[in-house]
Amino acid sequence: DQQVKQNSPSLSVQEGRISILNCDYTNSMFDYFLWYKKYPAEGPTFLISISSIKDKNEDGRFTVFLNKSAKHLSLHIVPSQPGDSAVYFCAAGDQTGANNLFFGTGTRLTVIP
Amino acid sequence: NAGVTQTPKFQVLKTGQSMTLQCAQDMNHEYMSWYRQDPGMGLRLIHYSVGAGITDQGEVPNGYNVSRSTTEDFPLRLLSAAPSQTSVYFCASSYSPTAGYEQYFGPGTRLTVT
Repeated sequence: DQQVKQNSPSLSVQEGRISILNCDYTNSMFDYFLWYKKYPAEGPTFLISISSIKDKNEDGRFTVFLNKSAKHLSLHIVPSQPGDSAVYFCAAGDQTGANNLFFGTGTRLTVIP
Repeated sequence: NAGVTQTPKFQVLKTGQSMTLQCAQDMNHEYMSWYRQDPGMGLRLIHYSVGAGITDQGEVPNGYNVSRSTTEDFPLRLLSAAPSQTSVYFCASSYSPTAGYEQYFGPGTRLTVT
């Protein structure tokens, strides 16, 4: 049973506009969340994370929002650039345990120039 | 630093054959792990290690063995390959075995079992 879900397999956005990628989770033990970006034929690379004690974390053009009551998080990319085109994975973990992650199925973002 | 390296990049096996996927990191990371990525499933944890000599099972461990004799290396063994093990395999490492530390991933091994 998928504990982390990304219900949109793909998203297309015009360059310069906002990209919003969504993620839902079911396990209430998860207390930190990460976004990874993946290009073809490469491994995932870390993008941004958030702990459950926060509801927002920003890093440059990337912002992650966490709604614990809804068990939902989102990644906002503003402004979107063609180089952002990749597959984005949401991941979650439990800070009381080892550094094991549960991943969503990914959303393929295409930024159109 | 080479980071996390994986060999081979591609492999084709026949059902029943055995092989070892190699993973090495040069960052002196305590934690290492193996994930598999399948279409529509995301990445799923196979096995992990919190330090040399210590390994444990992840979400989907059946059909795989691991060992961690050194900090640098974490090989994944398929004892008798099955078509269900056709997948892309990623090795990852992090500085600390405790949760919350950034994980660094290797480039992956694409395995096909016929």
